Amino acid sequence: GGIITQTPKFLIGQEGQKLTLKCQQNFNHDTMYWYRQDSGKGLRLIYYSITENDLQKGDLSEGYDASREKKSSFSLTVTSAQKNEMAVFLCASSIHRDYAEQFFGPGTRLTVL
Amino acid sequence: GDSVTQTEGQVTVSESKSLIINCTYSTTSIAYPNLFWYVRYPGEGLQLLLKVITAGQKGSSRGFEATYNKETTSFHLQKASVQESDSAVYYCALGDTGGADRLTFGKGTQLIIQP
Repeated sequence: GGIITQTPKFLIGQEGQKLTLKCQQNFNHDTMYWYRQDSGKGLRLIYYSITENDLQKGDLSEGYDASREKKSSFSLTVTSAQKNEMAVFLCASSIHRDYAEQFFGPGTRLTVL
Repeated sequence: GDSVTQTEGQVTVSESKSLIINCTYSTTSIAYPNLFWYVRYPGEGLQLLLKVITAGQKGSSRGFEATYNKETTSFHLQKASVQESDSAVYYCALGDTGGADRLTFGKGTQLIIQP
């Protein structure tokens, strides 16, 4: 077994601020993902990474940067927070194989004032 | 692009009654996508409930079943007799292939079980 840890659990920022979210996994999984969930909507893929130092854009990458410096960690940066933005960001990981199960972290809830 | 449409909002079912949560999908990126149901129980993280990767096959877990129907592009989630512990939010998802499944999720369906 393993676990995915996301920090911080709650993140409050100001408009225009650069904000960083962090994710750690101890599954030894190759692939890691960042999703965004808005209220009443499904999860949308922002970035994913199939190995250390790899980055692949998802459907929602504009306005975000990501970094995978180690196999176990994947960070996401909101480059300029938008006023009144509220969402939950979920990190996930999986082995690098077709139709592999993704394991999700508990999420970071972002509020921009 | 890809999209998933599922029963929206809340579904309330009495304990021991049957359940169906509808899910239909649309894809332009791949002919036969992989299909998943994920679930989030109260206070827990999102987790896989079941998956089916072959059209025509049925997946099952914890008493839930879903059949991959490529003719109707559907993957409805069913259970014959629900329990209070099934109260959760259920998400239907579609995945492409290529080593990393880029999942497209539906909006989620909150299942409330009445005792």
